[in-house]
Amino acid sequence: NAGVTQTPKFRILKIGQSMTLQCTQDMNHNYMYWYRQDPGMGLKLIYYSVGAGITDKGEVPNGYNVSRSTTEDFPLRLELAAPSQTSVYFCASREQETQYFGPGTRLLVL
Amino acid sequence: DQQVKQNSPSLSVQEGRISILNCDYTNSMFDYFLWYKKYPAEGPTFLISISSIKDKNEDGRFTVFLNKSAKHLSLHIVPSQPGDSAVYFCAAHYLGNEKLTFGTGTRLTIIP
Repeated sequence: NAGVTQTPKFRILKIGQSMTLQCTQDMNHNYMYWYRQDPGMGLKLIYYSVGAGITDKGEVPNGYNVSRSTTEDFPLRLELAAPSQTSVYFCASREQETQYFGPGTRLLVL
Repeated sequence: DQQVKQNSPSLSVQEGRISILNCDYTNSMFDYFLWYKKYPAEGPTFLISISSIKDKNEDGRFTVFLNKSAKHLSLHIVPSQPGDSAVYFCAAHYLGNEKLTFGTGTRLTIIP
């Protein structure tokens, strides 16, 4: 049972480039989340989904997009990378009240 | 507006002693609280939780206490072990809200 997996582990982007952070869960959870964690800060919610085809904005959605075509996958898209998007990104899925996190993607925008 | 606060960014405790991590919240609608543990270069992992209908929940060496009137919860680790060195996040949730609100974390260092 892999749980929540994220790819890539680490990426360097140039300003203005785009990329997709992948997230997959094999626990058949309906709820999935994307967070970012900046140094010394807690986790800020970017987007979340309550099921396939349904997504909604979190606290810090600007500069990001998501889609949820299947229960398993919840990719996060950065269209025009900016230095302010340098962060560690965590994907999570939820069962009842508990969220289960992936290992994270470290993104550096230069 | 920081609705969940962990006012101690770091804490050092001798191995074998008790570690007490604190968390305060401002939103009285929160009715479920969780603690997560995070090692470097890994995602947070769920540790223990408590519902607002209880004031204490234990799981092995970990106990969470909830004081609703003070809007305060604490995580006790007894005895502390070197493997407990990590960042601990407090999080809160309420029924009907799909989101967790996280504190900024406390870095716990266990001194051998």
